[in-house]
Amino acid sequence: EVQLVESGGGLVQPGGSLRLSCVASGFTFSSYDMNWVRQAPGKGLEWISFITTNTRTIFYANSVKGRFTISRDNAKNSLYLQMNSLRDEDTAVYYCARDRRGGSFDFWGQGTLVTVSS
Amino acid sequence: DIQMTQSPSSLSASVGDRVTITCRASQGISNYLAWYQQKPGKVPELLIYAASTLQSGVPSRFSGSGSGTDFTLTISSLQPEDVATYYCQKYNNAPKTFGPGTKVGIK
Repeated sequence: EVQLVESGGGLVQPGGSLRLSCVASGFTFSSYDMNWVRQAPGKGLEWISFITTNTRTIFYANSVKGRFTISRDNAKNSLYLQMNSLRDEDTAVYYCARDRRGGSFDFWGQGTLVTVSS
Repeated sequence: DIQMTQSPSSLSASVGDRVTITCRASQGISNYLAWYQQKPGKVPELLIYAASTLQSGVPSRFSGSGSGTDFTLTISSLQPEDVATYYCQKYNNAPKTFGPGTKVGIK
């Protein structure tokens, strides 16, 4: 069974940093591109970052470019999101999502809540 | 960047009704369009990819069509368990933008 389990969320002050993790199981993690998607409270879905299997290609949404860094460790079946210079508007549930070969997202984690507030 | 719009933003229909949701891309995206269902308090789930291909396990009452800039998601006979918000997403390239969502309820 495919599982994605995020962790690392919490309360952080504006300007602070947080590192999210997503541990994968039930499939060959190293064979799949991965994504981070977030959802602000009561709002829609926002794609924020993508990374290929070999980390050679990485993309970010304009809203997080220069502040967030996506990475992965295939040996640990893990995906990461380093979030720096956090703002109030970064408050959201953050999901990791597997990129189905072809580009849509076929499996999602349960999400981890990040709250940016003073 | 390509923008995604959806209409309507919300709808309410009776059980058994046929429901259609429209998604429009500001530029052509061929068939690189997915639909997701997010039930209240739950994680999004992939319904359809490549504009019209049903993800494994998704009931056949769901269908998708379209290409280029205009796409539709149809529920042929609305069921109580279909109460959810539906999102389209373009994935031909980055950014993999989602539409704003359509909230579907039961009358």
